[in-house]
Amino acid sequence: AQTVTQSQPEMSVQEAETVTLSCTYDTSESDYYLFWYKQPPSRQMILVIRQEAYKQQNATENRFSVNFQKAAKSFSLKISDSQLGDAAMYFCAYRSAGNYGGSQGNLIFGKGTKLSVKP
Amino acid sequence: GAGVSQSPRYKVAKRGQDVALRCDPISGHVSLFWYQQALGQGPEFLTYFQNEAQLDKSGLPSDRFFAERPEGSVSTLKIQRTQQEDSAVYLCASSLEAALPTYEQYFGPGTRLTVT
Repeated sequence: AQTVTQSQPEMSVQEAETVTLSCTYDTSESDYYLFWYKQPPSRQMILVIRQEAYKQQNATENRFSVNFQKAAKSFSLKISDSQLGDAAMYFCAYRSAGNYGGSQGNLIFGKGTKLSVKP
Repeated sequence: GAGVSQSPRYKVAKRGQDVALRCDPISGHVSLFWYQQALGQGPEFLTYFQNEAQLDKSGLPSDRFFAERPEGSVSTLKIQRTQQEDSAVYLCASSLEAALPTYEQYFGPGTRLTVT
């Protein structure tokens, strides 16, 4: 079974600075997807960034980028120029790249990292 | 457009009561997922629907949990004879088609269930 581990329960960053959130995962599959989700206090989960395992190039979305190390099964999120609105819980998630529906569609989440942004 | 909505947002139930949690997915979304998020934890998969068919219910913790999506749109998660360990936030997510991983799962705000 696949597992996702986030070893940092809490992180803090100064506004405008850069912070990196860690995530490792375990799988025997060769093709899969990895995600970072943001969950603000209102609890609506929002997709931040997605990485396809077959792509070597790291995904980037504006101030958010990932460092995907497939051999090490590591998937960290870097937030540049941190803003007050970035404060939230961040969840790393895994999804099998199945071609059919069923359980291959569901996400497997880590326990999350609470990010605080100091003004 | 409208996102995924869930009701009620908060539910307090006495131990032993039955509860029903509703999810309205984004219109046209084929796939619907239910997740359970305990305090301080990440969401955990409960069950999955493709249209009205429940294709996977492997995550349901006991036979007290039941989910349905009779017309392929609105879904209801029912918990019978609630117990304290059922206290959690229940999240619903929908996507255009789960079989294609490029389709994003959109989450609702969740229902926080507290069993006293």
